[in-house]
Amino acid sequence: GQSLEQPSEVTAVEGAIVQINCTYQTSGFYGLSWYQQHDGGAPTFLSYNALDGLEETGRFSSFLSRSDSYGYLLLQELQMKDSASYFCAVIGDTGRRALTFGSGTRLQVQP
Amino acid sequence: EADIYQTPRYLVIGTGKKITLECSQTMGHDKMYWYQQDPGMELHLIHYSYGVNSTEKGDLSSESTVSRIRTEHFPLTLESARPSHTSQYLCASSESGLHQPQHFGDGTRLSIL
Repeated sequence: GQSLEQPSEVTAVEGAIVQINCTYQTSGFYGLSWYQQHDGGAPTFLSYNALDGLEETGRFSSFLSRSDSYGYLLLQELQMKDSASYFCAVIGDTGRRALTFGSGTRLQVQP
Repeated sequence: EADIYQTPRYLVIGTGKKITLECSQTMGHDKMYWYQQDPGMELHLIHYSYGVNSTEKGDLSSESTVSRIRTEHFPLTLESARPSHTSQYLCASSESGLHQPQHFGDGTRLSIL
């Protein structure tokens, strides 16, 4: 099966940089995804890493180390609107080919 | 912008009723999913489909059933609702391929009295 660990809560101030870590255990591995979900809203896709290294998309970057079964989401120049829950997710089982989500990290951005 | 729609948005109903949650997408995606999510908690996959006439159970045991008779439509049915079914139900779709992003609907918040 699959399991993912991420911190339950992170707090940071506007303009700062925050890193949300995710470690995973899977029987196979086909990439790590990140989703953002505002309170009462639908999850929205942020990024996907299939290979080791850093992927940058504007203020958000995502990193993967397959040898360490570890990834992180980096949010720069934090804004109040970044307050949300962030979920990492993996496809680890080729037979099922569906995402397994972590428990989510609630990010609070303070003024 | 993703075009995936769920109805109803909110539903409060009594125990024992039959409920169908609707999900439709206009993107022609082959893959569709149902997740259950309690407030502030993770998403649990309860059903998924790779295409028409294909349905599979997910990680979380669920008393619900699904059908996929048309590509765009993936309804979820509870034959006899119970208070333990109270939760948010999220529908999603994606293109085929291992790493295609999933597009989510706004969800149905279900409350069983």
